[in-house]
Amino acid sequence: GAGVSQSPRYKVAKRGQDVALRCDPISGHVSLFWYQQALGQGPEFLTYFQNEAQLDKSGLPSDRFFAERPEGSVSTLKIQRTQQEDSAVYLCASSLDMAGGAYNEQFFGPGTRLTVL
Amino acid sequence: GQQVMQIPQYQHVQEGEDFTTYCNSSTTLSNIQWYKQRPGGHPVFLIQLVKSGEVKKQKRLTFQFGEAKKNSSLHITATQTTDVGTYFCAGPDRGSTLGRLYFGRGTQLTVWP
Repeated sequence: GAGVSQSPRYKVAKRGQDVALRCDPISGHVSLFWYQQALGQGPEFLTYFQNEAQLDKSGLPSDRFFAERPEGSVSTLKIQRTQQEDSAVYLCASSLDMAGGAYNEQFFGPGTRLTVL
Repeated sequence: GQQVMQIPQYQHVQEGEDFTTYCNSSTTLSNIQWYKQRPGGHPVFLIQLVKSGEVKKQKRLTFQFGEAKKNSSLHITATQTTDVGTYFCAGPDRGSTLGRLYFGRGTQLTVWP
């Protein structure tokens, strides 16, 4: 079966440009997560959706970051006016159970590597 | 906020040697998860521990959860080159069953043939 997919896999942006990163979770998975992973670090939580509801966005580093999941499936992470410090791999993960990912295996996508010049 | 500390950051072993990585939390964890990330890949779930003092085995991998549920370890017996990668532990927000996981920095394992 299909796993979590993300697009694009690689994105190069000039500083100040807006970018949109897409995540297709595993079909039927209720919970969806976005993480940011810098080189040599563990994934850092950005935001969490349960269906279409964004239940936790406390990890978003600034108001330039915005995420949505309007129909409870595909999600988009948008970064406005990109800065060099935004360069990282952005990982999307999904999990099945409505109880939340804290007690459920999270399935990660391949990530989008964003480079801001 | 929640912090999960992981040591060592790097470990280089010869094939056949054992390997252990340790994870410590400043607060009691309801559960802990372990993930493996191969070079250039994405994290892949290995296991979840929930009970105090729990020990689980997967072939050559042994996972332990401390009695106080504040620490955990992953031990690999007789490493193989296929074990290469970074091993992360991750714990949830204190008192929460929602999705947020706090990942450790990871232990990067290199295995010499």
